[in-house]
Amino acid sequence: EDQVTQSPEALRLQEGESSSLNCSYTVSGLRGLFWYRQDPGKGPEFLFTLYSAGEEKEKERLKATLTKKESFLHITAPKPEDSATYLCAVRNAGNMLTFGGGTRLMVKP
Amino acid sequence: DADVTQTPRNRITKTGKRIMLECSQTKGHDRMYWYRQDPGLGLRLIYYSFDVKDINKGEISDGYSVSRQAQAKFSLSLESAIPNQTALYFCATPPAGGPYEQYFGPGTRLTVT
Repeated sequence: EDQVTQSPEALRLQEGESSSLNCSYTVSGLRGLFWYRQDPGKGPEFLFTLYSAGEEKEKERLKATLTKKESFLHITAPKPEDSATYLCAVRNAGNMLTFGGGTRLMVKP
Repeated sequence: DADVTQTPRNRITKTGKRIMLECSQTKGHDRMYWYRQDPGLGLRLIYYSFDVKDINKGEISDGYSVSRQAQAKFSLSLESAIPNQTALYFCATPPAGGPYEQYFGPGTRLTVT
């Protein structure tokens, strides 16, 4: 059974204080690891797809990296508007997605 | 206009009632999915449809049914609602052939009392 564990569950940062969110996974035949952002009262919004260990993707203050067992979402100099829940998901060889429980990020000015 | 819409956005119902949640998409995608989100548990797949004639159960389909009325419409029904079906429900649709970068609707918050 595929499993995705995200940590920490919640993270409070001061504006400008860089940090990382972790996504640990076990999956039968990884076909992609996905990061989403979810704002309160909204559906998740796609951020990145990573396919193989060593791959990195960047978007503004966010950078996602991938190893064989985990992915990190690095947030550099975050701003209050980066506050959201960040979800990680893996796609297996059967094309099914398994989501983690998410990390709720709060950035204070 | 939003690409994926869901109605209603909020619903309170009583135990034993039948309820339908509706989803429409204007992206022209064939595949549509229904997920349930509970605090700390992530999104779990209820049902998915690859086209109008192809409907499949997800990991938590018990107590739910679906109908794919057209390429653009996918409805989720709770035949006899129970309190532990209180959750956020999301409809999603990915582009064909590519990665599973799901486009999610805004969600329906369902409360069963």
